[in-house]
Amino acid sequence: DTGVSQDPRHKITKRGQNVTFRCDPISEHNRLYWYRQTLGQGPEFLTYFQNEAQLEKSRLLSDRFSAERPKGSFSTLEIQRTEQGDSAMYLCASSSTGAYNQPQHFGDGTRLSIL
Amino acid sequence: GQQLNQSPQSMFIQEGEDVSMNCTSSSIFNTWLWYKQDPGEGPVLLIALYKAGELTSNGRLTAQFGITRKDSFLNISASIPSDVGIYFCAVEGAQKLVFGQGTRLTINP
Repeated sequence: DTGVSQDPRHKITKRGQNVTFRCDPISEHNRLYWYRQTLGQGPEFLTYFQNEAQLEKSRLLSDRFSAERPKGSFSTLEIQRTEQGDSAMYLCASSSTGAYNQPQHFGDGTRLSIL
Repeated sequence: GQQLNQSPQSMFIQEGEDVSMNCTSSSIFNTWLWYKQDPGEGPVLLIALYKAGELTSNGRLTAQFGITRKDSFLNISASIPSDVGIYFCAVEGAQKLVFGQGTRLTINP
């Protein structure tokens, strides 16, 4: 399987706990994106990386959220001191840069449920 | 907030019928995309549009990028049960995607 891979697929945790999600992009893709999707809505942009550099962060990304892509390959998204409102599907996408824009391809997401 | 207006929000059709949905924006965008999302899965890219006026097909799916660069439509011909799902339009601006609210398609056999 050469698509975007996300782990875990589901995470249930108590309010106040920290959680970390992992995303492995399509291997030749240098851009990696994180989105959040709540029930009944389209995905909303959180942040993106080009190689290891984090180039943009949405105002949705509070200081409890941190994302890394240390070697320009896989990425992690950590949420500290989780709150009820953090319950959502967290989606990762990747794309490549080149002469023409390439579309973003998504993984199947990590569904986070906060008890 | 989201800048795209996608309609209709939901559709209930009979198998074999054709489907049409559209998306409009108050701003100009140079890339329009259509994704389909099944329950518990991520969005899957259906069609990407990069040129105003472009009409692109992918099997039974046809999408057009409006000449004003402020709208796009997606048509599905001869719907089948596996077409059930949520369809999202999206535009790309400054390296990130902005999505519409989605169109939920339900098909009666």
